[in-house]
Amino acid sequence: EAQVTQNPRYLITVTGKKLTVTCSQNMNHEYMSWYRQDPGLGLRQIYYSMNVEVTDKGDVPEGYKVSRKEKRNFPLILESPSPNQTSLYFCASRRGDQDTGELFFGEGSRLTVL
Amino acid sequence: GESVGLHLPTLSVQEGDNSIINCAYSNSASDYFIWYKQESGKGPQFIIDIRSNMDKRQGQRVTVLLNKTVKHLSLQIAATQPGDSAVYFCAENIKRWEAAGNKLTFGGGTRVLVKP
Repeated sequence: EAQVTQNPRYLITVTGKKLTVTCSQNMNHEYMSWYRQDPGLGLRQIYYSMNVEVTDKGDVPEGYKVSRKEKRNFPLILESPSPNQTSLYFCASRRGDQDTGELFFGEGSRLTVL
Repeated sequence: GESVGLHLPTLSVQEGDNSIINCAYSNSASDYFIWYKQESGKGPQFIIDIRSNMDKRQGQRVTVLLNKTVKHLSLQIAATQPGDSAVYFCAENIKRWEAAGNKLTFGGGTRVLVKP
């Protein structure tokens, strides 16, 4: 089954404790992206990657890092989480960026930073 | 489920009626538009898309209309069913400079509640 898988789905952590949210897709997609979703603000892009070893900032990159060492994986790293990073996070992927086709989303990761 | 729509506009629809969800987009250079549906506790799911060289596209029970003159997009759902209850997002694709690729920008969403 074609899917985007995120882990963990739910996490409660404390300020400053580094964490990683993993994302993996099995569709051989070149393009991957992370979004955060907050009430009243919709989906905002954090980082995206057009292919392996190619990443770039989205609209709200502060406090986040990403890496793209393999095509299928695109982890989101919070080196020192803060309460304003409490949010619902989505990973998404699609075929190569020249194709404006459908973005496939994961099921979401709810992060709470105390 | 996840509470992602505390401040969303809400459309209440009687089961069996047609629904119309509206979206204003921001950039006249946007060349591609998508509608997504997000059910409680799940990620957004693709419904239908339309390119800027079209003004209407139909899918199964859904129709998207594009009015570039006023930068307006709408999603029509025919014979709305309980399973259509969800938050609906429009997204516009803005082509940036070549190395940066395209950018998909999402609207704030509309909650649709289907009454039995």
